[in-house]
Amino acid sequence: DQQVKQNSPSLSVQEGRISILNCDYTNSMFDYFLWYKKYPAEGPTFLISISSIKDKNEDGRFTVFLNKSAKHLSLHIVPSQPGDSAVYFCAASGGNAGNMLTFGGGTRLMVKP
Amino acid sequence: ETGVTQSPTHLIKTRGQQVTLRCSSQSGHNTVSWYQQALGQGPQFIFQYYREEENGRGNFPPRFSGLQFPNYSSELNVNALELDDSALYLCASSLAPRTATYEQYFGPGTRLTVT
Repeated sequence: DQQVKQNSPSLSVQEGRISILNCDYTNSMFDYFLWYKKYPAEGPTFLISISSIKDKNEDGRFTVFLNKSAKHLSLHIVPSQPGDSAVYFCAASGGNAGNMLTFGGGTRLMVKP
Repeated sequence: ETGVTQSPTHLIKTRGQQVTLRCSSQSGHNTVSWYQQALGQGPQFIFQYYREEENGRGNFPPRFSGLQFPNYSSELNVNALELDDSALYLCASSLAPRTATYEQYFGPGTRLTVT
């Protein structure tokens, strides 16, 4: 039973355009959501997060939107840069998930120059 | 400030053998979590250690065990290796078991191949 899902395994975007990565969750007890970025041969690195009491959080080119009623969040990257090419993981925590992060399967983003 | 380090980088073991993976947490972090990332999937929580005690466990069998030392470094031990244990094992450290932002800092991982 996957509690966090990223339904798009890959996404290709032109440099300078917007990248939108999506994530759905089923556990209504999750109260915090995070996005991690992973380059090959490196561990995941924290990108941006959002609490369930908010619906938007912005940090530079990165914005995360949370729709609690739909149990859906998205990461917007504007403008996309070739260096953004990586695998992006959505993660959730809180409630009966305790102290662990529950990750989605990841979306591979390719930004073409 | 030293980040999270893991050793070895990769190793190959035979089914039925035992393996020990090591992790040094980021300076000032007292909590270590271990994750298993199978090919093409997201990381899955194995367990967390805080103050040298297991502080939460995911859906993994008892042959997955761990230790945390007084300097907050940690080991992951896997007994009776199975082919499905082949994966990238990630260690993550944090300031506390539960912080306001749940943020964890990951090491580069150990790639384990079981043949």
